[in-house]
Amino acid sequence: QVQLVQSGAEVRKPGASVKVSCKASGYYFTRYYMHWVRQAPGQGLEWMGKINPSGGSTRYAQKFQARVTMSRDTSTSTFYMELSSLRSEDTAVYYCARDRHEILGHDAFDIWGPGTMVTVSS
Amino acid sequence: ERVMTQSPATLSVSPGERATLSCRANQSVSSNLAWYQQKPGQAPRLLIYGASTRATGIPARFSGSGSGTEFTLTISSLQSEDFAVYYCQQYNNWPRTFGQGTKVEIK
Repeated sequence: QVQLVQSGAEVRKPGASVKVSCKASGYYFTRYYMHWVRQAPGQGLEWMGKINPSGGSTRYAQKFQARVTMSRDTSTSTFYMELSSLRSEDTAVYYCARDRHEILGHDAFDIWGPGTMVTVSS
Repeated sequence: ERVMTQSPATLSVSPGERATLSCRANQSVSSNLAWYQQKPGQAPRLLIYGASTRATGIPARFSGSGSGTEFTLTISSLQSEDFAVYYCQQYNNWPRTFGQGTKVEIK
């Protein structure tokens, strides 16, 4: 079955970086865009960006443009999201979420990973 | 960016009753609107896409309507497992944006 498995919880100090992984299985990896969405404790959902698994092109929300890098490894069917210069406000659950539409990447998010909790604290 | 506004923030409903949730966009998003359900400690689950199409495995008691700037999610007869937070999301424009959520709680 289609599944996204994310890496485990992380704790970082302010100013550090974190890299979260999302391993996909059960579908053709290069055909579906992947998005990253975060959710601060008790708050709503915030879209961070997306990556085309075929060519690796990315699009980021302006808010994260200077600090986020999304990548993928086609040999292991794994996506990565790295966020740098962390601050306390980055404490959140980070989700990977697959775009529903094959190829175009212009649709709703049909499969979500379980989330990775990232805590930023001195 | 498209700003999505959901109302009400909290909806108190008795099991078996109908729930109606609203989502408004500050500019048209055509029919590129999705609804998600999120329970505590879980990832969101896609309910509706294209404003009115149920996702795979979603019960028929969930229905979506609307286009342009006004959208509605209706749960015809609330079951115990439906008490959760519901988010709308537009995917017509970049960046993708979500509403702030509506919590459906037991009355």
